[in-house]
Amino acid sequence: EVQLLESGGGLVQPGGSLRLSCAASGFTFSSYAMSWVRQAPGKGLEWVSAISGSGGSTYYADSVKGRFTISRDNSKNTLYLQMNSLRAEDTAVYYCAKDGSMVTFGYYYYGMDVWGQGTTVTVSS
Amino acid sequence: DIQMTQSPSSLSASVGDRVTITCRASQGISNYLAWYQQKPGKVPKLLIYAASTLQSGVPSRFSGSGSGTDFTLTISSLQPEDVATYYCQKYNSALLTFGGGTKVEIK
Repeated sequence: EVQLLESGGGLVQPGGSLRLSCAASGFTFSSYAMSWVRQAPGKGLEWVSAISGSGGSTYYADSVKGRFTISRDNSKNTLYLQMNSLRAEDTAVYYCAKDGSMVTFGYYYYGMDVWGQGTTVTVSS
Repeated sequence: DIQMTQSPSSLSASVGDRVTITCRASQGISNYLAWYQQKPGKVPKLLIYAASTLQSGVPSRFSGSGSGTDFTLTISSLQPEDVATYYCQKYNSALLTFGGGTKVEIK
């Protein structure tokens, strides 16, 4: 069974840092791009970042560029999101999602076909 | 940046009704569009990609159409289990923007 399990969320003060992890199982992790998507309380979905299957290509939403870093360890089947300089507006449930192919957009992209249960990040003093 | 606008933001329909949700891109995105369903308190689920390709396991009452800037998600016969918020997402570029969502309720 394909599974994604996020961890690392919590309460952090503004300006602080957190590292989220997403442990994957049930599929060949290195063959698929992965994404992080967040959802603020009572709000819609916001794409945060994506990484290709090899890890060689990374992409970020403007709202997090320069503060967040996506990475993956294909030997450990784990996706990461390092979040620095956190702001109140980063408060959200963070989902990791498996993309349907190795690429992160375009002709051979098939959507985010598996989602984790999410981990909650609260930025507050 | 290309903006994705969904309409309506919410709707209420009766069981068995045909429901249509619209997603409009501020610039053309070919058919690089996906639709997701998020039931209350649940994780999002992929329904459709490439504007009209149904994800495996998704009921056939769901369908998608459109290309360029205008797209629609149609539920041919609304069921109680379809109560959810529906999101479109573009993927013509590395910025995978979601629409604002359409909340579907039963009348």
